[in-house]
Amino acid sequence: DAKTTQPPSMDCAEGRAANLPCNHSTISGNEYVYWYRQIHSQGPQYIIHGLKNNETNEMASLIITEDRKSSTLILPHATLRDTAVYYCIVRSSSGGSYIPTFGRGTSLIVHP
Amino acid sequence: DAGVIQSPRHEVTEMGQEVTLRCKPISGHDYLFWYRQTMMRGLELLIYFNNNVPIDDSGMPEDRFSAKMPNASFSTLKIQPSEPRDSAVYFCASSLRGTGRTEAFFGQGTRLTVV
Repeated sequence: DAKTTQPPSMDCAEGRAANLPCNHSTISGNEYVYWYRQIHSQGPQYIIHGLKNNETNEMASLIITEDRKSSTLILPHATLRDTAVYYCIVRSSSGGSYIPTFGRGTSLIVHP
Repeated sequence: DAGVIQSPRHEVTEMGQEVTLRCKPISGHDYLFWYRQTMMRGLELLIYFNNNVPIDDSGMPEDRFSAKMPNASFSTLKIQPSEPRDSAVYFCASSLRGTGRTEAFFGQGTRLTVV
């Protein structure tokens, strides 16, 4: 299964864009990149996912490099409520990596 | 749908007692996962079921832990006997396998304290 590497912590000023990087250099062709976040005392929550194209939804944007070995989650206008741990995982629609396995993630602190 | 429902939200028990955590997955989902989260170890996968059948329980820490899924709408995680080191937040999640978007939906968790 592909593993991911994320910085342990980041901070961002409120109103600015938060760019959270993730390396997944061993990702295989059928594996998607998924992002979740976990706000304190809550269960992880799905944010966005992608295969090879950039994706955008109401929560965030996902930029995946052309070689698919890394990606960046972008929160365009971070708010204090975006303070959370952000997890990047790779997941297939088949096989063992279908099972969501979480690393330590990136602890994002948004400050006033 | 109300999402994944876990009960109780908080449980405090004495060492040696039996603890049962409960989970109701989202209707129609065919995968159910049990996770444990601690500061030391992060979010660990304990066991998962597919169509009510346990597939991989290699994450279950020891024989004191057991999980069942008697039907598609209910699962339990039991610890007997409980120990202080079992104190953690236990999450249940469910998902529907398929192509495209197949994210896991998590419950609010059960915070277990063993004293």
